[in-house]
Amino acid sequence: DAKTTQPTSMDCAEGRAANLPCNHSTISGNEYVYWYRQIHSQGPQYIIHGLKNNETNEMASLIITEDRKSSTLILPHATLRDTAVYYCIVRSDQTGANNLFFGTGTRLTVIP
Amino acid sequence: NAGVTQTPKFQVLKTGQSMTLQCAQDMNHEYMSWYRQDPGMGLRLIHYSVGAGITDQGEVPNGYNVSRSTTEDFPLRLLSAAPSQTSVYFCASSSQGRGYGYTFGSGTRLTVV
Repeated sequence: DAKTTQPTSMDCAEGRAANLPCNHSTISGNEYVYWYRQIHSQGPQYIIHGLKNNETNEMASLIITEDRKSSTLILPHATLRDTAVYYCIVRSDQTGANNLFFGTGTRLTVIP
Repeated sequence: NAGVTQTPKFQVLKTGQSMTLQCAQDMNHEYMSWYRQDPGMGLRLIHYSVGAGITDQGEVPNGYNVSRSTTEDFPLRLLSAAPSQTSVYFCASSSQGRGYGYTFGSGTRLTVV
C-alpha cells in the first residue's frame, strides 16, 4: 500500500471550513484513499473514501487531484466536536487480504 | 445496538500474568482485527482474521495469541504480560475487509506494572 504524508497538526476556527491535506505520491491505479478520524480515546470512525472522483457525504467532502498524488478532506463547517486526529489511508479495495494501516495522522483542533 | 463490544474497558496486570481481551461483533462480519495504540502514535495491527478458523499475524504479533472459533468472537490473549504491552487495544470488524466498512470497539486500556 502507498505511503501517505500528513501535517502533524492544524487549527481551524469554529464554523469555518477545515481543509486537511494528504500526500500519496506513490499511489497506484487500484488504490483508494480512505479517511478515518479518532475523537479523543475512542475507536476510529470512517468518514469517506474515493478512487479518483471527488466524493461528498453527510460528514465531509473528499477532493482528489487529477494525478491522484494528493487529496484534501474538507469539513465544510467545523464544530468543536470535529476536534480529533484524522487519518488518511491508501489501500486497494481487495477483500480480506488487506488491512488498514494507520500512520500518525493530523491532529485537528477546532477553536471557539 | 449493532457494533463491536470489547471487555474489559480497563485492566491492570502484573508482569508475567496472562489474560484475554474479549471482542464480539453482531454484524456477521467476516473480517476482524486487533490493533494497539501507544501514546502519540497511530494504531498498529497485531493480528487479524478473515473468517472463522483463519487467523494471521499483523505488524506487531509477538507476545499475543488469537483464535477465531466463531464468526462473532475474536479474543486476544496475552501470554505473559510485559510493561511494553501497556497500551490501548482496539478491536475492529469489517464485511469482507472492505476499507470503508471498519467498525471499531471502544477500546481496552491495559496497564502492565
